[in-house]
Amino acid sequence: NAGVMQNPRHLVRRRGQEARLRCSPMKGHSHVYWYRQLPEEGLKFMVYLQKENIIDESGMPKERFSAEFPKEGPSILRIQQVVRGDSAAYFCASSPSQDTQYFGPGTRLTVL
Amino acid sequence: RKEVEQDPGPFNVPEGATVAFNCTYSNSASQSFFWYRQDCRKEPKLLMSVYSSGNEDGRFTAQLNRASQYISLLIRDSKLSDSATYLCVALSGGYNKLIFGAGTRLAVHP
Repeated sequence: NAGVMQNPRHLVRRRGQEARLRCSPMKGHSHVYWYRQLPEEGLKFMVYLQKENIIDESGMPKERFSAEFPKEGPSILRIQQVVRGDSAAYFCASSPSQDTQYFGPGTRLTVL
Repeated sequence: RKEVEQDPGPFNVPEGATVAFNCTYSNSASQSFFWYRQDCRKEPKLLMSVYSSGNEDGRFTAQLNRASQYISLLIRDSKLSDSATYLCVALSGGYNKLIFGAGTRLAVHP
């Protein structure tokens, strides 16, 4: 059973471009969480999704950020018009229920 | 005030030493607690859960004091491979989102 997969592992964008981060949960997991880790800081919760539903987005910035988890395919975290402050590691975690969360390897976003 | 607070360290210890990390949390409604380990530029990995009765896994012992809202991790007989950042984590809210401390860095030297 493959673990949580995230791609790309590294993403470089210029200011103003869009960034799309993908997360494929473990097989059988229908709960997906996104976390962001700024340099030298701990992980911060962003959003919790189940298939086709956003359950808790209390950690998402109000603008430019959106997330989805469609019926088919991976969960997507989308950042529009990226700024330098968006540079961070973005981790996805999945869970079979509201239980132990298993983390993916993360996507490191660098904004030039 | 941060919801989960840790001493950032670094803790520099020789092999074989015993080292203790502490953590405090502010939300008394937090239900469960964990210690995660994070190696440089990698994803966090669950080290152990923390219970009020205390739990031990080999060289690692974790303890929770709900009255003081305090969590600890003790590592005995430190190995070079224990060098990492240790994250104190609370399970919070109705949807089980994890609240992470900023981490405590441990460096074990020969």
